[in-house]
Amino acid sequence: DAGVIQSPRHEVTEMGQEVTLRCKPISGHNSLFWYRQTMMRGLELLIYFNNNVPIDDSGMPEDRFSAKMPNASFSTLKIQPSEPRDSAVYFCASRYIQVTGNTIYFGEGSWLTVV
Amino acid sequence: KQEVTQIPAALSVPEGENLVLNCSFTDSAIYNLQWFRQDPGKGLTSLLLIQSSQREQTSGRLNASLDKSSGRSTLYIAASQPGDSATYLCAVGPSSNTGKLIFGQGTTLQVKP
Repeated sequence: DAGVIQSPRHEVTEMGQEVTLRCKPISGHNSLFWYRQTMMRGLELLIYFNNNVPIDDSGMPEDRFSAKMPNASFSTLKIQPSEPRDSAVYFCASRYIQVTGNTIYFGEGSWLTVV
Repeated sequence: KQEVTQIPAALSVPEGENLVLNCSFTDSAIYNLQWFRQDPGKGLTSLLLIQSSQREQTSGRLNASLDKSSGRSTLYIAASQPGDSATYLCAVGPSSNTGKLIFGQGTTLQVKP
């Protein structure tokens, strides 16, 4: 299995520009998570989906952030307009929902720098 | 609000030493607890997952324990190797099987040859 695939791996953009991060979860997984990692705040959950439906977006910092999951194999996290404080590593993760819980698998992250 | 704390933030040990990483959480009503490893520039890799009904899990040289009542977990690494150098993160799953995880800030481990 290829694992969770994220793109782009690295992006440098100017303040005010739109940023779109993409994620392909592991095939068969039905739960998808977007996390953000910074030195100051560590890893924070932004939003997660079960069966393509957003369940909890309470971690989304502002209306500038939006996430979609149009089908089971693709999700996007969009920032519009981007600001320097959005610079972070954005991780996508997926898992298969089971009654007893299951391991979550992370992608290698999208490293975003907003200048 | 659940908070997860890891102490120490950084640790340096000579190769071969046994070591313990600590994790504490404020709300004992958890579903599970996981330990992850993160290498520089990489994503997170799950090492061990302990369900709330379990006391410990073992994988190779790694042993993780869970004491819900005291809000503590430890990750024991036996006979440490330079390849163990990484950041170790503890994450708590809230009381239902949502998959949500609340992470500690991690302990960065350096094992010197």
